[in-house]
Amino acid sequence: DVKVTQSSRYLVKRTGEKVFLECVQDMDHENMFWYRQDPGLGLRLIYFSYDVKMKEKGDIPEGYSVSREKKERFSLILESASTNQTSMYLCASSFGNEQFFGPGTRLTVL
Amino acid sequence: DAKTTQPNSMESNEEEPVHLPCNHSTISGTDYIHWYRQLPSQGPEYVIHGLTSNVNNRMASLAIAEDRKSSTLILHRATLRDAAVYYCILSYNFNKFYFGSGTKLNVKP
Repeated sequence: DVKVTQSSRYLVKRTGEKVFLECVQDMDHENMFWYRQDPGLGLRLIYFSYDVKMKEKGDIPEGYSVSREKKERFSLILESASTNQTSMYLCASSFGNEQFFGPGTRLTVL
Repeated sequence: DAKTTQPNSMESNEEEPVHLPCNHSTISGTDYIHWYRQLPSQGPEYVIHGLTSNVNNRMASLAIAEDRKSSTLILHRATLRDAAVYYCILSYNFNKFYFGSGTKLNVKP
């Protein structure tokens, strides 16, 4: 089975902190994605990567950056966390027609 | 991004069929129709996808209108485990998905 793991299920950070969310997949997938999920808004794409060191902005990239140094790992970085970045963050990977999601990280910024 | 319209919620009885509708009047010729579902406290999972023809797999069936402006996900016998939020998504490639708010399906015993 494909496995996508995220470094934390729950995270609490303070405004202004630098936050790293890590995602690892074990199926050698080329494509990886970061989404955030908020009530009433569904999932919104932040960034995706189609290869090592390659990235493309999604619908809401402002306030975020990403890093993909190895094929299996895709990191989401909040350079200076703000309260409006409190959300559920979901990572996914894909090859072909199916995206596989991790369990999510619920981030609270105080 | 092409948008979809789904009812906010639907209810079904256990072991009865469920038809989840989706309107996508602005679909383009190269857009695939995808369905994902999200069980409570989990990430979304793939259900089915199609382009023009109806599709069946072990989880569900996808019925696509002839003009492709709407589609219906069919769960043939709903179980309590099928209670989830179902997302209908259009994508011309498999990388950029617009999820929307989905339909919350409640299944009554």
